[in-house]
Amino acid sequence: DAGVIQSPRHEVTEMGQEVTLRCKPISGHNSLFWYRQTMMRGLELLIYFNNNVPIDDSGMPEDRFSAKMPNASFSTLKIQPSEPRDSAVYFCASSLGRARLSETQYFGPGTRLLVL
Amino acid sequence: AQSVTQLGSHVSVSEGALVLLRCNYSSSVPPYLFWYVQYPNQGLQLLLKYTSAATLVKGINGFEAEFKKSETSFHLTKPSAHMSDAAEYFCAVTLGTDKLIFGTGTRLQVFP
Repeated sequence: DAGVIQSPRHEVTEMGQEVTLRCKPISGHNSLFWYRQTMMRGLELLIYFNNNVPIDDSGMPEDRFSAKMPNASFSTLKIQPSEPRDSAVYFCASSLGRARLSETQYFGPGTRLLVL
Repeated sequence: AQSVTQLGSHVSVSEGALVLLRCNYSSSVPPYLFWYVQYPNQGLQLLLKYTSAATLVKGINGFEAEFKKSETSFHLTKPSAHMSDAAEYFCAVTLGTDKLIFGTGTRLQVFP
């Protein structure tokens, strides 16, 4: 299996622009997670989906952030408009989503976002 | 509420020395605990996890961790460090049936 695929790997944009990050989970995985990693705040869960339905979006910073999962093999995280403080590494992860406490999450390589 | 605390944001050891990375947890229910490793410019990958089957858990790359309920700890160890072990290590605890709460991470440096 190819693992979790994220694109782009790097993104540099200017403040105010729209940014779209993409994720393809591992085939057969039913849960998908979006994380943000910064030096100051560490690894934060932004939102997660189960069977394409958003279950918990309490970590989404503000209305500028939105996430969708139109089907089992694709998800997007959008920031509109972007701000310099959004600069971070964004990770997507997936798991089998069998509602087990011991479920392993598999992480993608991340998208390094820089907003100028 | 569940949480984990990693003591020491940076740990340095010599190659061949014992590696000890500390993690203490807080949980109102029997916890499920994980250690993940992040190599530079990569995503996190699972090292090992505790699921109540055995208190001593063996993971990949020679790492192991022992669950100690009396001490609310799940420290990660490796008898002999290798240069390739240099990375950031995250302890995590399950919150609910899917969510993980991660610690702040410990950066391990290995000197020759």
